[in-house]
Amino acid sequence: GEEVAQTPKHLVRGEGQKAKLYCAPIKGHSYVFWYQQVLKNEFKFLISFQNENVFDETGMPKERFSAKCLPNSPCSLEIQATKLEDSAVYFCASGPTPQGASTEAFFGQGTRLTVV
Amino acid sequence: SQQGEEDPQALSIQEGENATMNCSYKTSINNLQWYRQNSGRGLVHLILIRSNEREKHSGRLRVTLDTSKKSSSLLITASRAADTASYFCASSGSARQLTFGSGTQLTVLP
Repeated sequence: GEEVAQTPKHLVRGEGQKAKLYCAPIKGHSYVFWYQQVLKNEFKFLISFQNENVFDETGMPKERFSAKCLPNSPCSLEIQATKLEDSAVYFCASGPTPQGASTEAFFGQGTRLTVV
Repeated sequence: SQQGEEDPQALSIQEGENATMNCSYKTSINNLQWYRQNSGRGLVHLILIRSNEREKHSGRLRVTLDTSKKSSSLLITASRAADTASYFCASSGSARQLTFGSGTQLTVLP
C-alpha cells in the first residue's frame, strides 16, 4: 500500500492482559520501526526490522515486549501481561533505508493502547 | 535520556504571523527531520535537512541547521489556523533510529 497501516486504532486492555498491535509497511520498504509515545510528547524507539530480521532492538524492554515481521504478513508488536505504564500511542514507521540514512520515514496513524 | 530539546514548549500566534521553533540535539547527525503531529494523529514528515546543508526551504517552511551548535530551527511563514499542531524535530546519526525532540505545541489563532 501507499501508506503505513496500523491496526487497531484503539485498544483497551485490563492489567495483565495481552495486547497485540499490527503494522503493514508501505510496499517496497525494507525497514520497519516501532516507537512508543507517552503523554503526547516523548517518543521512545523500541525496535526496527530489515525485512523479517531484527535490525536494532536496543530500545525494546527486556521483558513482556516482543515483535515480529514475517513474510507476507503485517508486522506485529506484542505486549504480554500489560501494565498501566504501557498506556501510550505506539507508532510504526517504514522506510527504504535505515533511519541513519538520508531518507524520511513514513509513519502510521498509531495505535492508542489504554491499560486499565 | 537521549531525547533532544525543543523550545518553546508552546507557542500561540495570530494567523498571518511567523512561527519559529528551535531544536537542540546531543550527538553528531547524518540528517535532521521535522515532523508535524495533529492532535491524536500520526506524524507527517515536513522536511529533511542533511548534515552538510545549512538551510532548506519547502513552501512556507524554512529550516536551518547549525551543526557546530547542534541546533536547528523551523520557521513557518504566514501561518494559518490549519498549522495548529505539535512539531517535532528528529535527528538520525550513527544510531539506527530517530531521536525525537520534546516537541513544540503551536496554536494559530484565527
